[in-house]
Amino acid sequence: EAQVTQNPRYLITVTGKKLTVTCSQNMNHEYMSWYRQDPGLGLRQIYYSMNVEVTDKGDVPEGYKVSRKEKRNFPLILESPSPNQTSLYFCASSFGGTGYGYTFGSGTRLTVV
Amino acid sequence: QQPVQSPQAVILREGEDAVINCSSSKALYSVHWYRQKHGEAPVFLMILLKGGEQKGHEKISASFNEKKQQSSLYLTASQLSYSGTYFCGTGSGGYQKVTFGTGTKLQVIP
Repeated sequence: EAQVTQNPRYLITVTGKKLTVTCSQNMNHEYMSWYRQDPGLGLRQIYYSMNVEVTDKGDVPEGYKVSRKEKRNFPLILESPSPNQTSLYFCASSFGGTGYGYTFGSGTRLTVV
Repeated sequence: QQPVQSPQAVILREGEDAVINCSSSKALYSVHWYRQKHGEAPVFLMILLKGGEQKGHEKISASFNEKKQQSSLYLTASQLSYSGTYFCGTGSGGYQKVTFGTGTKLQVIP
């Protein structure tokens, strides 16, 4: 089944404790992206990647890191999480850029206390 | 800059029609439409490209006015399953990011 898999689904952590949210797709998509969703603000892009080793900032990149060492994986790293990073996070992938629809993962609900 | 969606929320009775609008201040190459049900991930509905035709998907269709940088999503003869939040996403071409609006919450009641 074609899908984007995110883990974990739910995560509660403490301020400052480094964490990684994993994202993997099995569709051989070139393009991958991370979004955060907050009430009233919609989906805001954190980082995106156009291919292996090629990444760029989205609208809200502060406090996040990404890497794309393999085509299928695009982990999101929070090196020192803060409470304002409490949010619902989605990973998405597509064949390439803005001309193709996105497939979203199931989401990760992160709470930083 | 995020595209602007209107209305922010709408309640329909089964069988009624609705239009959701999406406008951008930037020149657009593509407009995406997604539906998100509560507690779930957004699901891709359709994409409209610059120079392309109006798209349709069952009783849901959309148009794209490039000159006005606007798109509209049309839901006809709404069903209970249409309930959810609808997002438009806009792209300026190539590998540039897709920027999403804040969403339109649609509720269909019996």
